[in-house]
Amino acid sequence: DVKVTQSSRYLVKRTGEKVFLECVQDMDHENMFWYRQDPGLGLRLIYFSYDVKMKEKGDIPEGYSVSREKKERFSLILESASTNQTSMYLCASSLKQGTQPQHFGDGTRLSIL
Amino acid sequence: GEDVEQSLFLSVREGDSSVINCTYTDSSSTYLYWYKQEPGAGLQLLTYIFSNMDMKQDQRLTVLLNKKDKHLSLRIADTQTGDSAIYFCAERDDYKLSFGAGTTVTVRA
Repeated sequence: DVKVTQSSRYLVKRTGEKVFLECVQDMDHENMFWYRQDPGLGLRLIYFSYDVKMKEKGDIPEGYSVSREKKERFSLILESASTNQTSMYLCASSLKQGTQPQHFGDGTRLSIL
Repeated sequence: GEDVEQSLFLSVREGDSSVINCTYTDSSSTYLYWYKQEPGAGLQLLTYIFSNMDMKQDQRLTVLLNKKDKHLSLRIADTQTGDSAIYFCAERDDYKLSFGAGTTVTVRA
């Protein structure tokens, strides 16, 4: 089975801090994704990566950046955290092509105080 | 991304069938998915359907696709308390997914 692991289930940070959310997958997937989930809005794509060192903006990239130095690891960075970034963050991975769907981690619930 | 719409809430009695509906707008979608999210957890893939299919059945789950109307539904037969969760439909365009807001299904005894 595919395993997508997010480093923290819960995280509390202060406004202005630089925050790192880490995600690791163990199935050699090319694609990795970061979403945020808010009630009534579903999942919105922040950034995705289709290869090492490659990244593309999703629908809501403002205030975020990403890093993919190794194939199995995809990091989401909040450069200067703000209260409106309090949310559930979900990481996913998938094979590049074919019928294989995205597989999700358990999420990180981030609170910015 | 493209718009995917779902009703937000569904209440169903244990043992009845649940039907969750979804509409999407991107006619070029190749695959459509149903994911389940239990409290405090990530999304678990339930099933998916290729856009050239009308129906797919997998045990208690039946997916119906009306491509003309861009309407997708998920039927859960003999709904159990363990089926209480948020259900998301998603459409795939290339390697990106667009999700609906999710339908919260509550199963009552």
